[in-house]
Amino acid sequence: QVQLVQSGAEVKKPGASVKVSCKAAGYTFTNYYIHWVRQAPGQGLEWMGWINPDSGGTNYAQKFQGRVTMTRDTSISTAYLEMRGLRSDDTAVYFCARFSSAWFDPNYWGQGTLVTVSS
Amino acid sequence: QLVLTQSPSASASLGASVKLTCTLSSGHSSDAIAWHQQQPEKGPRYLMKIKSDGSHIRGDGIPGRFSGSSSGAERYLSISSLQSEDEAAYYCQSWDTDSWVFGGGTKLTVL
Repeated sequence: QVQLVQSGAEVKKPGASVKVSCKAAGYTFTNYYIHWVRQAPGQGLEWMGWINPDSGGTNYAQKFQGRVTMTRDTSISTAYLEMRGLRSDDTAVYFCARFSSAWFDPNYWGQGTLVTVSS
Repeated sequence: QLVLTQSPSASASLGASVKLTCTLSSGHSSDAIAWHQQQPEKGPRYLMKIKSDGSHIRGDGIPGRFSGSSSGAERYLSISSLQSEDEAAYYCQSWDTDSWVFGGGTKLTVL
């Protein structure tokens, strides 16, 4: 079955960078975009962008452009989210997900990675 | 610009039914959406997609108590025979060209 398994929790200081991984299993990794979504404490879901694992092409939400980089390693079916210049309001759970607009393709979520930014 | 609007909260009694609403912004009344459930302290779970004609397709393992429908720019999630585990936040989601967006979420309380 489809699984997205993310890396463990991180604690970072303001101004630092973080890199979260998302390992896909149960399907052909290059056939579906991987999206990243974050959720600050007590808040809703916020879409950050996607990466096309086949081409490496990306599309970032305007809010995150210049501060976020999404990459992938097709040899190990893993996508990465790197965020730079962390601030306290970047404290959130970061989810990877396989979203598809195709009618018959279900969506899937990773389990989430808590990133805490604190001095 | 695509915007999805949801009421912040809803409530219904155990065993009853409830209908949650997601409203698509102007110019997007024909778009499909997806619904996701997030139980307390858990990650989101995909429930279903809904088209503008009201047809819907549930995700793997989603019980038939969950159904979808549409009217104009509104997309609905109906839950029947409410159970305690249905108490959760429900988010609608849609897509526009290369960008995706979530509604603000509806917190459902089961009384």
